[in-house]
Amino acid sequence: EPEVTQTPSHQVTQMGQEVILRCVPISNHLYFYWYRQILGQKVEFLVSFYNNEISEKSEIFDDQFSVERPDGSNFTLKIRSTKLEDSAMYFCASSEDGNTIYFGEGSWLTVV
Amino acid sequence: EDKVVQSPLSLVVHEGDTVTLNCSYEVTNFRSLLWYKQEKKAPTFLFMLTSSGIEKKSGRLSSILDKKELFSILNITATQTGDSAIYLCAAHDEKLTFGTGTRLTIIP
Repeated sequence: EPEVTQTPSHQVTQMGQEVILRCVPISNHLYFYWYRQILGQKVEFLVSFYNNEISEKSEIFDDQFSVERPDGSNFTLKIRSTKLEDSAMYFCASSEDGNTIYFGEGSWLTVV
Repeated sequence: EDKVVQSPLSLVVHEGDTVTLNCSYEVTNFRSLLWYKQEKKAPTFLFMLTSSGIEKKSGRLSSILDKKELFSILNITATQTGDSAIYLCAAHDEKLTFGTGTRLTIIP
């Protein structure tokens, strides 16, 4: 069964460093998303991406964050100048039609 | 502000029991209600509900939506230990707004 794949599964980074989280969405999907889940908290929406541009973003998704689809398969989330409070599980998700949304296994980011 | 509330927060039952998980929502431009199962990491898709009163079924799991009263329920019959997980519901407008989840534990 097709699935959303994410790398790395776990990354530890020092405060102030930049991280890039990578995602390969399901191949025929057109809608892409990033969500995050801080330990013990709800899953929160960060950004949605369609037709090579951001379609919606949350208040969390400020200038520190950016997304890119550098080629036909990858979808990346870049976090500049990481802070301790950026530590979370980051989920990539994709959808064929914008309705049924499938999640990847997540990338656990620890900022120290 | 969009809001999704799930109850109970936690539920412990014996194998073979039937459970009902609840989800109420308030979102501005509601499109659908999604249920996910989260075991270790990724939320795994279970159901998407768009219409009131139409039950969706998958094996021992079923779900229904009430758009008038703004809630959904997820039923699991003849529970098994493999059903132990956090069950998330999410209301979909332009984004998914998740509840805190119900942690279900099935005792053998």
